[in-house]
Parts: sequence; C-alpha cells; structure tokens
Amino acid sequence: SQKIEQNSEALNIQEGKTATLTCNYTNYSPAYLQWYRQDPGRGPVFLLLIRENEKEKRKERLKVTFDTTLKQSLFHITASQPADSATYLCALDNYTGRRALTFGSGTRLQVQP
Amino acid sequence: NAGVTQTPKFRVLKTGQSMTLLCAQDMNHEYMYWYRQDPGMGLRLIHYSVGEGTTAKGEVPDGYNVSRLKKQNFLLGLESAAPSQTSVYFCASSFGPLGSPLHFGNGTRLTVT
Repeated sequence: SQKIEQNSEALNIQEGKTATLTCNYTNYSPAYLQWYRQDPGRGPVFLLLIRENEKEKRKERLKVTFDTTLKQSLFHITASQPADSATYLCALDNYTGRRALTFGSGTRLQVQP
Repeated sequence: NAGVTQTPKFRVLKTGQSMTLLCAQDMNHEYMYWYRQDPGMGLRLIHYSVGEGTTAKGEVPDGYNVSRLKKQNFLLGLESAAPSQTSVYFCASSFGPLGSPLHFGNGTRLTVT
C-alpha cells in the first residue's frame, strides 16, 4: 500500500543549528513533492516544491532534496530560529491516482533559544 | 485578498444532526479540496473538485457530501453526524493539478457528541 512517513517524534534543536527533517515514501511515483509549515490552530502554508527531475531546491534558509531512488526527501532549515518552531508536512503529487496531494502526518520542530 | 475563508470556525453537534461547512476562495482557483486532520494521522482527503459543477471522492468520503455550484465556493455537508467525524476540517484551493501549491483556510474544529 502507499505510505508517506515522517518522523512522528518532535525534533528539538538549538537556535543557530541546522534542522533536518525526513520524508520517506513507498509505492508512489511522485511527479512533485511539496513541503508545508503548519502552526497550531492554523492551516498549512506552502514553503517549497521540488520536481522529480530536480535534486535540490533552495529558498533563503530552506533547502529541499529529492532522491527518487531512495524514495526520500530531506528538508533543511539552516541557522534555525525559535520562530521556525512549527510542524512541517511533506506532500506528494502523483501522475496516477487522484489529482490531489497526499500528505504525511508531519514532524514537529522545536527550536530552543 | 482574503485567500481561503472557512465558516464556521468551531461547531459542536449532537450525533445524528446535520450541518454544512462553507469554503470560499477569492483567487479564481479551479481546484478545491476538503481535508480532515486527526492527531497522528495527518491530513486525509475527503472530496475534491477540479472545477465548477464537478466533484470527486477522496480517501475518506463516507458520511460526507460536497457541492461546487459556484467556482469560488465548495461546500462540505454532514447529513447525520457521528462521533467519528470529530476532527479539524481544512479547505484548500489550487490553480491547477500537479505541481500547484495548495492554499489552505484556517480550519473548522468540529466536535460531535
């Protein structure tokens, strides 16, 4: 069966360090992979999109990698700040199946000052 | 630009009651979606629409109905609420299918007693 896995345990890091979050998937052939940020009581907010033929994408302090052989995406936040504390969700687009994103359950990031 | 607006923000229903959740978007997006979010399970797709007058089933459609009579509105109905439908409901919209970021509302927290 299709599955998207994100670490359910919270990630705690010190301010200034790099946070790395993982998204693994099975039985998908995603054309695109997206990352979202969700704050408590709010809807998810789009951060980055990476295509299947791209290895890496950057936006300011954010970097996403996409390895279709390992079936994994890594999401990095460099020089992390307490304001980066939130839950981060990955989501996959398929060429086949429903024309809608499928989401992982998210990883909560806590950046300590 | 309000983006995606959901009403109501909170609602408590008794088992067997019915209600309609309203989603409105002002971005002229073709695609609209209803997701539910439960602890540890992430966002699960209920129904979606690829344009005015169209709807399609998602991953967990049972117990819900939807309508998209106008391009800017997407309604989610619960005909006979059950405690298992206690959840946070998110509406989202996007410009297109694959590769388009989703824009989310801030959710409706529904409790069924």
